[in-house]
Amino acid sequence: GIQVEQSPPDLILQEGANSTLRCNFSDSVNNLQWFHQNPWGQLINLFYIPSGTKQNGRLSATTVATERYSLLYISSSQTTDSGVYFCAVENTDKLIFGTGTRLQVFP
Amino acid sequence: NAGVTQTPKFRVLKTGQSMTLLCAQDMNHEYMYWYRQDPGMGLRLIHYSVGEGTTAKGEVPDGYNVSRLKKQNFLLGLESAAPSQTSVYFCASRRQGTGQPQHFGDGTRLSIL
Repeated sequence: GIQVEQSPPDLILQEGANSTLRCNFSDSVNNLQWFHQNPWGQLINLFYIPSGTKQNGRLSATTVATERYSLLYISSSQTTDSGVYFCAVENTDKLIFGTGTRLQVFP
Repeated sequence: NAGVTQTPKFRVLKTGQSMTLLCAQDMNHEYMYWYRQDPGMGLRLIHYSVGEGTTAKGEVPDGYNVSRLKKQNFLLGLESAAPSQTSVYFCASRRQGTGQPQHFGDGTRLSIL
């Protein structure tokens, strides 16, 4: 089946710093979503981005489907950005999740 | 604007007990999914349904059963709970069609002693 790899596994930042999270996948996909899992365990849908670039405030994402990767950019990080970021890809009706990037932002 | 609602939010069971988790969505979505998340891992698909009356196995289906008698509800059953089923369970739904995003509930934290 399709493999999803995320890097880095852990990231520690000081408030105000920028970061880039990467998601590589092993096959063509119909859908790619980025999620933020907050400290309370809720999964927040950040982007639905099978290809191209999208921006939402301080966050933006780019997916290059032909090269099978996606990037999530976080600018001017805040403590509320802490949590785990998951990339998930879909083909054949099923989402396959990566193991996530754990982000800690300190004041 | 409820979206995807999971019931209950928390539950503690003893080994061998049975229980049913309920997922309800009010978006008229055709597809529904049950996932489990274990510590330090991403979500793994247990079972899913592409329409009322249909179900299919996912990556980790053993020990679980599901039913989709109504379009808006997807039930996940544990017939004889085991400690290995201690996990956080998430339900999701999406529209039919290629590349539709999935929408998730807030999860059910299940502990089996």
